[in-house]
Amino acid sequence: DTEVTQTPKHLVMGMTNKKSLKCEQHMGHRAMYWYKQKAKKPPELMFVYSYEKLSINESVPSRFSPECPNSSLLNLHLHALQPEDSALYLCASSQEGNSYNEQFFGPGTRLTVL
Amino acid sequence: GNSVTQMEGPVTLSEEAFLTINCTYTATGYPSLFWYVQYPGEGLQLLLKATKADDKGSNKGFEATYRKETTSFHLEKGSVQVSDSAVYFCALSDRKTSGSRLTFGEGTQLTVNP
Repeated sequence: DTEVTQTPKHLVMGMTNKKSLKCEQHMGHRAMYWYKQKAKKPPELMFVYSYEKLSINESVPSRFSPECPNSSLLNLHLHALQPEDSALYLCASSQEGNSYNEQFFGPGTRLTVL
Repeated sequence: GNSVTQMEGPVTLSEEAFLTINCTYTATGYPSLFWYVQYPGEGLQLLLKATKADDKGSNKGFEATYRKETTSFHLEKGSVQVSDSAVYFCALSDRKTSGSRLTFGEGTQLTVNP
């Protein structure tokens, strides 16, 4: 299984809502990532988990809260978002300890904040 | 720091034309190099990779050679198809200097007309 899955595929939320994005991989990878991608731009790194511990937080606003319940799952909790947070949110994973850092991406969640 | 520069798009070709998308990089260490492809409405897929100088990555008719002397990793395909229409991202990973981060180019939009 070489797939990273993400749910939901689409999400529309108001600025006062709380929602969560979910990501799952069964490749035995020990590093997992959240990216934000705006239209016609490359992905921007938000968070990195390594062995279920947060290792990189790219100064992301606290309205985004990541969680890694186990080595296969990664969540992104959303609260009090702004319209400018509307984007494609991508999850990725890689085999920690691999010097090549080949990352496998999920299909993304298209988020719209009203 | 590390950086990736891709040829600007969009690129429009006719079916069966030859494709080249230029990519040059700056890195302080010894990076691994990647091409990712993003089809409309989808996440990123790893197209090919090269991990050391003179390596050639290839997949689905696409090729790229890691050229250390010119710091380049140009993507080529001899005969493109309509189904190759997508955005192509060149990326590098240098675990020694930038940990788990992938550094992406800005992306090149390719449209292939029948």
